[in-house]
Amino acid sequence: EAQVTQNPRYLITVTGKKLTVTCSQNMNHEYMSWYRQDPGLGLRQIYYSMNVEVTDKGDVPEGYKVSRKEKRNFPLILESPSPNQTSLYFCASSSILGTGADEAFFGQGTRLTVV
Amino acid sequence: DQQVKQNSPSLSVQEGRISILNCDYTNSMFDYFLWYKKYPAEGPTFLISISSIKDKNEDGRFTVFLNKSAKHLSLHIVPSQPGDSAVYFCAAGYNFGNEKLTFGTGTRLTIIP
Repeated sequence: EAQVTQNPRYLITVTGKKLTVTCSQNMNHEYMSWYRQDPGLGLRQIYYSMNVEVTDKGDVPEGYKVSRKEKRNFPLILESPSPNQTSLYFCASSSILGTGADEAFFGQGTRLTVV
Repeated sequence: DQQVKQNSPSLSVQEGRISILNCDYTNSMFDYFLWYKKYPAEGPTFLISISSIKDKNEDGRFTVFLNKSAKHLSLHIVPSQPGDSAVYFCAAGYNFGNEKLTFGTGTRLTIIP
């Protein structure tokens, strides 16, 4: 079954304690990205990756890091989380073959609370 | 600056009637548009898309209309069913060479039985 898997689904942490949210896809997609969803703001892109070792900033990258060492994995790293990073996070992947802007497949989300 | 806007945060429609969700965009370079549906505790799932070379695309009960001159698209659901109750996001992107999608703020659709 084609899927994007995020872990953990829920996380409560304290300010400044480094954390990593993992994302893995089994569709051999080149393009992966991270979004955060906040009330009234919709989905905003944090970082994206066009392929292995190729990453770039999205619309709201401050306070986040990513890496793409393998095609299937795209972890999101918060080196020093702050309360304004409390949000619902989604990982997504899509293929860049064909017409581009193909529909993205999303993970189930990670609800992060930073206290 | 919000390049993709959904001005109605919520919409309630009677079961069996038509649901119309609207989306406006400001960037005229967008040439590919998509609708995603999101249930609570799940990730968004792709619903339907349209390229700027078309003004209408149908898939069963779902039809997306694109008005390029007005920079406006809409999603029609006919007939509406209780299972359609969800948050709907429109997204805009590019047909070639750029996978980035810009999402709207979402509209919560509630179908009243």
